[in-house]
Amino acid sequence: DQQVKQNSPSLSVQEGRISILNCDYTNSMFDYFLWYKKYPAEGPTFLISISSIKDKNEDGRFTVFLNKSAKHLSLHIVPSQPGDSAVYFCAAENNAGNNRKLIWGLGTSLAVNP
Amino acid sequence: GAGVSQSPSNKVTEKGKDVELRCDPISGHTALYWYRQSLGQGLEFLIYFQGNSAPDKSGLPSDRFSAERTGGSVSTLTIQRTQQEDSAVYLCASSYGLGGNEQFFGPGTRLTVL
Repeated sequence: DQQVKQNSPSLSVQEGRISILNCDYTNSMFDYFLWYKKYPAEGPTFLISISSIKDKNEDGRFTVFLNKSAKHLSLHIVPSQPGDSAVYFCAAENNAGNNRKLIWGLGTSLAVNP
Repeated sequence: GAGVSQSPSNKVTEKGKDVELRCDPISGHTALYWYRQSLGQGLEFLIYFQGNSAPDKSGLPSDRFSAERTGGSVSTLTIQRTQQEDSAVYLCASSYGLGGNEQFFGPGTRLTVL
């Protein structure tokens, strides 16, 4: 049972345009969400996060939006650059518990074309 | 470097042999996680250590898999009687173990079982 879902396995975008990566979750107890980026042959690296008390967090070209009622979050990258081509993972956490285990989506492979 | 390190970076073994994978977390991080990523798949949680608490082993796929964390620092993931389906990249991550903290990943160990 996939509690965090990234329904698009891949996405292709033109350089300079906006990339929108989506993530849905089913567990209403999740209250912290993270996005990671992964290049081939490397471990994932943290990109941006958002707490459930917010609906938007912005860091440079990256913005994460959270819609709690829809149990949906999205990562916007604008403008997209070829170096952004990677697999993006969405992850969620329940901060109320003692278990700091993240629940991960399966990832979306983003290709930014020059 | 102060990042998470893993060794070996690559391991080729024959079916039925045992393997040990090592992870050195970031100093001061109390939480340590093991994941694996099979070809074309997302991150699969294996096991999670948090301080002196009993580890969360809920992701271990079979009793051939085990992990230890000695002295609250270095961790070893052991796979006994390896099978071809164990071939994957094994990733280790560490964090401060507090809510809202991101996990920092090592580069992974690529295991190939012939």
